[in-house]
Amino acid sequence: DVKVTQSSRYLVKRTGEKVFLECVQDMDHENMFWYRQDPGLGLRLIYFSYDVKMKEKGDIPEGYSVSREKKERFSLILESASTNQTSMYLCASSSIISRVFYGYTFGSGTRLTVV
Amino acid sequence: EDKVVQSPLSLVVHEGDTVTLNCSYEVTNFRSLLWYKQEKKAPTFLFMLTSSGIEKKSGRLSSILDKKELSSILNITATQTGDSAIYLCAVEVTSYDKVIFGPGTSLSVIP
Repeated sequence: DVKVTQSSRYLVKRTGEKVFLECVQDMDHENMFWYRQDPGLGLRLIYFSYDVKMKEKGDIPEGYSVSREKKERFSLILESASTNQTSMYLCASSSIISRVFYGYTFGSGTRLTVV
Repeated sequence: EDKVVQSPLSLVVHEGDTVTLNCSYEVTNFRSLLWYKQEKKAPTFLFMLTSSGIEKKSGRLSSILDKKELSSILNITATQTGDSAIYLCAVEVTSYDKVIFGPGTSLSVIP
């Protein structure tokens, strides 16, 4: 069964801490994405990557960075966590085959609370 | 700015009812519209609708894309408590499968 795995289901961090959220996919997908999900706002794109060592800013990249050193792993980094980064973080991956998009496969999410 | 809107934002129905969830979009370079169901964890894929496939059906769920009205509906007939979830509408807008999500509709089905 193909899978996107996020390393932590729940995290509690202190303001100012550096936070790493890890995502691994086993589908050999080229594309990986980080979203945050907040009530009433839906999913908002933070960063995405189409290839190893490649990254692009999404709609709300401020306060975040990413790393993709290997095809299967895409990490989201909160450089200095703040309370307004308390949210559900969802990782997703996708593949384009012959320019046909088959939709995302999502991880189970990480609920991050910054206190 | 690309935008996806869903209505209603929340809905409570009784088992056996039929519900219609709405999604409208204003985007450049529309490629496809997707519906996802999200229970306690990861969103799971329901349907993809494109210009060449504007109607999809799977069991009690069906969806139609109206490209003229820039909208889509998701119908669920004979609802069950297991249909309780957030239903996300999303639109693929670029050739690199960037996707814009709506805020979701929270559906609660009560016995």
